[in-house]
Order: sequence, then structure tokens, then C-alpha cells
Amino acid sequence: IAGITQAPTSQILAAGRRMTLRCTQDMRHNAMYWYRQDLGLGLRLIHYSNTAGTTGKGEVPDGYSVSRANTDDFPLTLASAVPSQTSVYFCASSDQRTGAGADTQYFGPGTRLTVL
Amino acid sequence: EDKVVQSPLSLVVHEGDTVTLNCSYEVTNFRSLLWYKQEKKAPTFLFMLTSSGIEKKSGRLSSILDKKELFSILNITATQTGDSAVYLCAVEHGNKLVFGAGTILRVKS
Repeated sequence: IAGITQAPTSQILAAGRRMTLRCTQDMRHNAMYWYRQDLGLGLRLIHYSNTAGTTGKGEVPDGYSVSRANTDDFPLTLASAVPSQTSVYFCASSDQRTGAGADTQYFGPGTRLTVL
Repeated sequence: EDKVVQSPLSLVVHEGDTVTLNCSYEVTNFRSLLWYKQEKKAPTFLFMLTSSGIEKKSGRLSSILDKKELFSILNITATQTGDSAVYLCAVEHGNKLVFGAGTILRVKS
């Protein structure tokens, strides 16, 4: 693994189903993020984690949950998917240990999710 | 409310042209402004700007920040078809990024 990987690449899901999007990084970055990208709205932060064991809500957290059991993995779960959650989801990570803040975020390749 | 506004929303130019992309922001606790290029998939990092008036340059791309007027520009000279992409501006506040909607650039050969 080099950088950030996401799985699946794409998924079509029936409304009401539960879905977990996976994200793994091998850069030992302490901070990780989940964004959704919709046309005309840019990237919007869903949830973030500054370090393993902690998480925080972003701009659009409703309907999503995350966990950060270890440094490398940051899964995003949709407990009961709805059509408005159709989007492209990006995971990102950054190294905040220097105290420089969000600094440079490195992005995964994205997951295209369609909820019918 | 924190916001980042990019203009134009989209732009079509011919190879060799010079383009200027704009990013204005209203963010509390500003720390830095970043530019990303997004082609088919993940955004890739271009520049991070923290100080006013200091130009960052990489090849044909350059960027500058004005913290008094709260904006940044990204210039691309001698454009090539490979410059076609969505260019994203993001502003860091606290430890999070707020993104603009992006500028879609298409360079025609």
C-alpha cells in the first residue's frame, strides 16, 4: 500500500441499507478526514479524526458515523442510506504532529456511491 | 459562516493562453490557503500560502495571497491541454479545511 486507499471504488445501494466505506493510509498520519463532493458544492467535510481514538463532526455529519480504532483506518458508515447521500466520497489524511494544522492533506482516489 | 468563493465557475481557453483563477474567503482563525488540482479522481496538492504578497511558483503555475483583501489568485501561463482540470481553493481554520466549489478549466488544443 502506498498513500491512501479507499474501497469500494464505486457502489450502487438500495435506500435503507447500511454501508461502510473503507479508508486506509500507510503514512502514519495522525489526522484523517472524510469529505463528500457534489457538483457545484465542492468538497464538504463530514467527519474528521485528529488522532486514533478521537473523532469530530464536520460541516455535514448527519446520517454518517466514523470510528478511529487505530492510526491507519478510518471507516465511514451510513447506517440507513438515503438518495441524498449519492455522492463521491473522499478520504484524506495529514500529519499535524508538527503543529502546523491541516497543512497538506493527501486524498484517496474516492468512492462513487449511488443510493437508489 | 465560513465561506470560500471561487471564480469563474468554469473557463474554456486555447493552448498557450494565460489564465487567472480567483479565490476569496471569509474564515475565522485563518491559518493558510491551499490550492489543489483535481483531474479524474483525487485532488492533488499545488500550493500552500500563509503570508501576503509572497508568490509561490511551480513551473507555469504561480499563486499569491492577499490577507488584507482576503483573496488569492492562481495563474497558469502558456496553458496546455494537460492543465484541464478542476482547481480547488481551500482555507484552513483550526485544523480543518473549508473548500470552494472549484473552477473547471478546459484547455482546447
